Amino acid sequence: SAVISQKPSRDICQRGTSLTIQCQVDSQVTMMFWYRQQPGQSLTLIATANQGSEATYESGFVIDKFPISRPNLTFSTLTVSNMSPEDSSIYLCSVRISSGGENQYFGPGTRLLVL
Amino acid sequence: KQEVTQIPAALSVPEGENLVLNCSFTDSAIYNLQWFRQDPGKGLTSLLLIQSSQREQTSGRLNASLDKSSGRSTLYIAASQPGDSATYLCAALQHDSWGKLQFGAGTQVVVTP
Repeated sequence: SAVISQKPSRDICQRGTSLTIQCQVDSQVTMMFWYRQQPGQSLTLIATANQGSEATYESGFVIDKFPISRPNLTFSTLTVSNMSPEDSSIYLCSVRISSGGENQYFGPGTRLLVL
Repeated sequence: KQEVTQIPAALSVPEGENLVLNCSFTDSAIYNLQWFRQDPGKGLTSLLLIQSSQREQTSGRLNASLDKSSGRSTLYIAASQPGDSATYLCAALQHDSWGKLQFGAGTQVVVTP
């Protein structure tokens, strides 16, 4: 299994500013993902962040808006840039562990409110 | 493109009743199917993972079945308790989409004392 922590747990931000969310895992993992959950919605994958390569973004998400870093096998950051109220969501970090059949684990999430 | 549907969207039962949550998927070429629990404003907790070669998985009061041919998975929660109140999400991992879990919209469960 994997234990994932995220910082901050929540934040209230002003329109036009940026927020960087940190994700720390208690073990080395190759595959790390960032998801967004808008209010009342299910989860949508933003990007896959594998160490040693550029992040791969899903349709509708771009690097300029959501830059991602993955400096090592236990850590990643997601920045939400030039925020607008539509960015108000829960942002979740996730990792996949291959032993036991590609089990996926999620962090506690970062609850973001943009005013 | 895989589509995952969960029915019902919401469910309220009295304590002690068994819960049956349904998940259907359109593309049977899945690597596995995973059930999660989400408490309000929180992250996801993994409940059960069913490999594509398996028919069911059990953990305590929870049992999940998988029928790939019909594109369905069912999560059973026996003898429900108020602490089981949460949103339950199913997610399918495709063979050809190594990164992307496709999530259903979830079933919101309330267990009343």
